[in-house]
Amino acid sequence: AQSVTQPDIHITVSEGASLELRCNYSYGATPYLFWYVQSPGQGLQLLLKYFSGDTLVQGIKGFEAEFKRSQSSFNLRKPSVHWSDAAEYFCAVGAPGTDKLIFGTGTRLQVFP
Amino acid sequence: EAGVTQFPSHSVIEKGQTVTLRCDPISGHDNLYWYRRVMGKEIKFLLHFVKESKQDESGMPNNRFLAERTGGTYSTLKVQPAELEDSGVYFCASSQTRGQIYEQYFGPGTRLTVT
Repeated sequence: AQSVTQPDIHITVSEGASLELRCNYSYGATPYLFWYVQSPGQGLQLLLKYFSGDTLVQGIKGFEAEFKRSQSSFNLRKPSVHWSDAAEYFCAVGAPGTDKLIFGTGTRLQVFP
Repeated sequence: EAGVTQFPSHSVIEKGQTVTLRCDPISGHDNLYWYRRVMGKEIKFLLHFVKESKQDESGMPNNRFLAERTGGTYSTLKVQPAELEDSGVYFCASSQTRGQIYEQYFGPGTRLTVT
């Protein structure tokens, strides 16, 4: 069965520091991969997605993610974090033959000034 | 354009009571999804409507949950009777077209607390 693991429940960084959020997935073929962000009081917003092609994907708000098949990973990165990036981040996999998304447990990001 | 809206934002009910959650998708979106996040766990798929038809309800936990989408517009999710383990955040999402490559737009969720 497909699954997504986000090993870091909570991460704290200083504003201006670089960020990497980890995501590992279990899936038999090339998956569809997504990163969503949820800010307080808001719905989940799609940051970026990977379907095929270039393994480095650029998203909104200055985020990028790299698909590494050999490591079954799709880590999210940002070179310089802003205080407004404080939120919860979810990695998700697209299930085959359906429209449903399979999510990880989320990583809560806290940003200190 | 308005996004996906959900009502109420928060509901507190006692065990055994009934609660109805509502979702209004983005206008023109035929696909509507319900997901749930139990405290500290992952967001899990509940079901998928295409217009008024249930396309996939494989994630519905049991027959205490009833989802409807009459007329293919808004959807309701009724929990009757509610149990303690039903507490969590219920998210609704919509998309214009079927398929993984089409973005699912999520609402802010309804936080359900069963005491």
